[in-house]
Amino acid sequence: QLQLQESGPGLVKPSETLSLTCTVSGGSISSSSYYWGWIRQPPGKGLEWIGSIYYSGSTYYNPSLKSRVTISVDTSKNQFSLKLSSVTAADTAVYYCARLIIEVAFDYWGQGTLVTVSS
Amino acid sequence: EIVLTQSPATLSLSPGERATLSCRASQSVSSYLAWYQQKPGQAPRLLIYDASNRATGIPARFSGSGSGTDFTLTISSLEPEDFAVYYCQQRSNWPRGLTFGPGTKVDIK
Repeated sequence: QLQLQESGPGLVKPSETLSLTCTVSGGSISSSSYYWGWIRQPPGKGLEWIGSIYYSGSTYYNPSLKSRVTISVDTSKNQFSLKLSSVTAADTAVYYCARLIIEVAFDYWGQGTLVTVSS
Repeated sequence: EIVLTQSPATLSLSPGERATLSCRASQSVSSYLAWYQQKPGQAPRLLIYDASNRATGIPARFSGSGSGTDFTLTISSLEPEDFAVYYCQQRSNWPRGLTFGPGTKVDIK
């Protein structure tokens, strides 16, 4: 059974960089059938796609976040990571990692991790 | 960017009733639309992809229809576990520009 697990600090100061890692178990991140994505959800609000990465390193970002987002992949560790720079309180959210079937949808999700931006 | 709107924002129904949820796109997304269910404190779960295909393990009471700009998720007879928030998501500009709708909450009347 595929599992995804987010990890990283739960508290980040304003203007600093948010860093999260998603560890994939029960399957290979190097499969040609999938992208891997980050999605966030501010408390009490809806879902926002942040970006996606292919195992080769090809990335696609939400235009509204593109200037601050970097997603990378480490196939040797079966992990992919998110960096979001210059964070503000508006970036406070539950951050999910998920598997994205190519040209289909997000079919497996991590449990999510709450990141709070506060001094 | 393609904007998705969902209606109604909240749907109050009783167990056993039929639920009809709507998702409208600002421009055509062909059939490239998915539906997710999210319960409090949980990650979203994929229900429907490509407008009308049920994901693995999804009960037959969930069905999707539509194409172009207008889509519908129907729950034929609500079970207690179906009270949740439902999101639509489009992928017409794959792999760029994935967007979600704002959600419809189905709560118990």
